[in-house]
Amino acid sequence: QITLKESGPTLVKPTQTLTLTCIFSDFALSSSRRGVGWVRQPPGKALECLAVIYWDDDKRYSPSLKSRLTITKDTSKNQVVLTMTNVNPVDTATYYCTHFQGQVSGTLLDYYYMDVWGKGTTVSVSS
Amino acid sequence: DIQMTQSPSSLSASVGDRVTITCRASQSVLNYLNWYQQKPGQAPILLIYAASRLESGVPSRFSGSGFGTDFTLTIRNLQPEDFASYFCQQSYSSLVSFGGGTKVEIK
Repeated sequence: QITLKESGPTLVKPTQTLTLTCIFSDFALSSSRRGVGWVRQPPGKALECLAVIYWDDDKRYSPSLKSRLTITKDTSKNQVVLTMTNVNPVDTATYYCTHFQGQVSGTLLDYYYMDVWGKGTTVSVSS
Repeated sequence: DIQMTQSPSSLSASVGDRVTITCRASQSVLNYLNWYQQKPGQAPILLIYAASRLESGVPSRFSGSGFGTDFTLTIRNLQPEDFASYFCQQSYSSLVSFGGGTKVEIK
């Protein structure tokens, strides 16, 4: 059974760098059609995908946050790390780590979906 | 960027009702469209992927349809445990994006 668990600071000061770690089990990020994504949700608001890293080390970032984000993986540790620089209060949110599964569609583009989510970690940005 | 717009943003319904939620993409996403359910204080769960394929373990009263830019999530015979928020997500572009969500409340 795939599980993911997020960890990181609960409180960060403005302008600091936020580092979030996702430790997962029961799948290998080196296997094809797998990815790990980070999704956040400010209180009472919608979901926002921040970044995804794929089994082949392909990385995708939210265009609006790309300059502030870095996603990396350590397949030997079953770990994915997201760093966000220069945080500000609007970055206050619950941050989720997700398993991103691909399925053959019969065309050039596979179907991808987030079939397992971590419980999330709440991060507040405040001085 | 592909923008996803859901409507309505909230609705009230009764147990046993049929509920339809709409999701519209700013450009065609073919059938690369997923639906999630989220209850307060919990992480989302996947309901439907590829517009109409039911995720394993999801009750058959949930169904999805659509292609291109317009999609619907239908819940037949609404159950008490279905009162939650629902989000669509496109996976056509290089980074997925979500709709704003629809909250289904008890009438």
